[in-house]
Amino acid sequence: SQKIEQNSEALNIQEGKTATLTCNYTNYSPAYLQWYRQDPGRGPVFLLLIRENEKEKRKERLKVTFDTTLKQSLFHITASQPADSATYLCALRTNAGKSTFGDGTTLTVKP
Amino acid sequence: DAGVIQSPRHEVTEMGQEVTLRCKPISGHDYLFWYRQTMMRGLELLIYFNNNVPIDDSGMPEDRFSAKMPNASFSTLKIQPSEPRDSAVYFCASSPQTGQGVEAFFGQGTRLTVV
Repeated sequence: SQKIEQNSEALNIQEGKTATLTCNYTNYSPAYLQWYRQDPGRGPVFLLLIRENEKEKRKERLKVTFDTTLKQSLFHITASQPADSATYLCALRTNAGKSTFGDGTTLTVKP
Repeated sequence: DAGVIQSPRHEVTEMGQEVTLRCKPISGHDYLFWYRQTMMRGLELLIYFNNNVPIDDSGMPEDRFSAKMPNASFSTLKIQPSEPRDSAVYFCASSPQTGQGVEAFFGQGTRLTVV
């Protein structure tokens, strides 16, 4: 059966460190892998996407890698700040447009 | 554009009642998605539309759930009859056609409580 797993429910790190979040999937053939941020009481907000033929994407302090052989994506936040504290969701999107989300990892950055 | 607009923001209803959730997608977006979020099950895709046509409704939990998109600017998700286990936050999202950028834009959600 299809499954999307994010590394852990919660991740706690110190301000200034790099946060690394993992997204693993099975029985999917995504055309795109996306990362979203969700704050309490709000809908998810898009951060970054990477296509199946891309290995790495960067945007400011964010970096995403995509390994279709390992069926894994890593999401890095460098120089983390308390304002980065939120739940981060990965999503797989097929060419047909179907978008399926993982359960999310809650990141807490301590000052 | 005001973004994806959902109504109501909060809904409290009694078990057995009909509930209708509404969504106005971003103008020009071809895809519309309905998701349900709970602590136990995370963010589940219920159904999605492309150009107003339902493409995949395999996530709709039961026949009590139905969704329509009569035109490009409006969609509804209906639960009839509602049950306490339907309590969740329901999100609507829209996105452009593949090739123009494929991120989904979410509404603020409707928090449904069935008592």
